[in-house]
Amino acid sequence: KQEVTQIPAALSVPEGENLVLNCSFTDSAIYNLQWFRQDPGKGLTSLLLIQSSQREQTSGRLNASLDKSSGRSTLYIAASQPGDSATYLCAVMNSGYSTLTFGKGTMLLVSP
Amino acid sequence: DAEITQSPRHKITETGRQVTLACHQTWNHNNMFWYRQDLGHGLRLIHYSYGVQDTNKGEVSDGYSVSRSNTEDLPLTLESAASSQTSVYFCASSAGSLNTGELFFGEGSRLTVL
Repeated sequence: KQEVTQIPAALSVPEGENLVLNCSFTDSAIYNLQWFRQDPGKGLTSLLLIQSSQREQTSGRLNASLDKSSGRSTLYIAASQPGDSATYLCAVMNSGYSTLTFGKGTMLLVSP
Repeated sequence: DAEITQSPRHKITETGRQVTLACHQTWNHNNMFWYRQDLGHGLRLIHYSYGVQDTNKGEVSDGYSVSRSNTEDLPLTLESAASSQTSVYFCASSAGSLNTGELFFGEGSRLTVL
């Protein structure tokens, strides 16, 4: 059974810092990995989707990398802003199954 | 703009009542999903569908049912609501075969069972 772990569970940083969120998964046979953002009381918003054949994806100040062999992905946020405060979740699509397995998220707080 | 909408956004019901949560998407996506989100458990899959007349059980399907009569809608029914089903429910959809595409979520439905 696929297990997805996100470290740290919570992170507090001052505005302007570059930061890295980590996601690890136990079964490396995946189709893709997706990073989401969730604001309090809201649904999840897709940030980046990395296919298994890709090493990274970039969108604005966000960069996500994928290392299938080691079962790891990182989400890099450059020059963090208070508006980046949210919970970030990663989810893995497994090759042998047809559903996503979610991590429990990293709660990020960026202070002005 | 295409979107995915859930209703009601908030509902309070009593134990034993039947409850239906609606989900409607205008992306024409084949794949639709229902998740519940609880503190300490994260997001867990309840049911999913890869197309009209197709439904499948997820990780926590007991006490829930779905039906897919058209592409746009996947209602989630709690046959006899229990307090353990108090949660926030999210509907999601994606394009592509076997859910290999990007996943889009609704805003959620908060259900309280008293």
